[in-house]
Amino acid sequence: GDSVTQMEGPVTLSEEAFLTINCTYTATGYPSLFWYVQYPGEGLQLLLKATKADDKGSNKGFEATYRKETTSFHLEKGSVQVSDSAVYFCALNWPGGTSYGKLTFGQGTILTVHP
Amino acid sequence: GAVVSQHPSWVICKSGTSVKIECRSLDFQATTMFWYRQFPKQSLMLMATSNEGSKATYEQGVEKDKFLINHASLTLSTLTVTSAHPEDSSFYICSARESDRGYGYTFGSGTRLTVV
Repeated sequence: GDSVTQMEGPVTLSEEAFLTINCTYTATGYPSLFWYVQYPGEGLQLLLKATKADDKGSNKGFEATYRKETTSFHLEKGSVQVSDSAVYFCALNWPGGTSYGKLTFGQGTILTVHP
Repeated sequence: GAVVSQHPSWVICKSGTSVKIECRSLDFQATTMFWYRQFPKQSLMLMATSNEGSKATYEQGVEKDKFLINHASLTLSTLTVTSAHPEDSSFYICSARESDRGYGYTFGSGTRLTVV
């Protein structure tokens, strides 16, 4: 079945450092890929998404490119802020069929940014 | 933007009792709602999918008689953990999707259930 693997955390960075959180997936075909973020005490929020190979999703300075050759969707940000401290989830789903709407999540990566 | 309210945010109950968790879409009609469970340091696992007015579809390995899901209206879905045991202690999260929102899933803030 489908699966998503994220790099293990927690990740601790200083403000303005470069961030990479790795995400790889296993699936038959080409699913849609997502990054969700969960701030303390809040629900998950969609951060960015990509629906086909070579698409780049971007939002709030974060970027991720859908790489079908490496089945990856790594999250990057050039300069993190303290306010980026949160849990980040990589996820996939299928745009149609019986699995429509079902998100398969990675285990989440805790990011802590220090001033 | 779309908001999903999930209550309670945390609950402690005794073994053998039942607990109800509510998930409400506040400013849109949620034709489909999803219930997830998250164990410590693990991923969110989909438990079931519910469509308004019909029976929920449970994922393999999820006991439908233990985790009762009701989606009686377009703005409310409930998850009832019946005869709770300590192994049911977990973090439960709901997600709602409006019929024409495409990938716009909105998540609740989650419920931390502790069974003692």
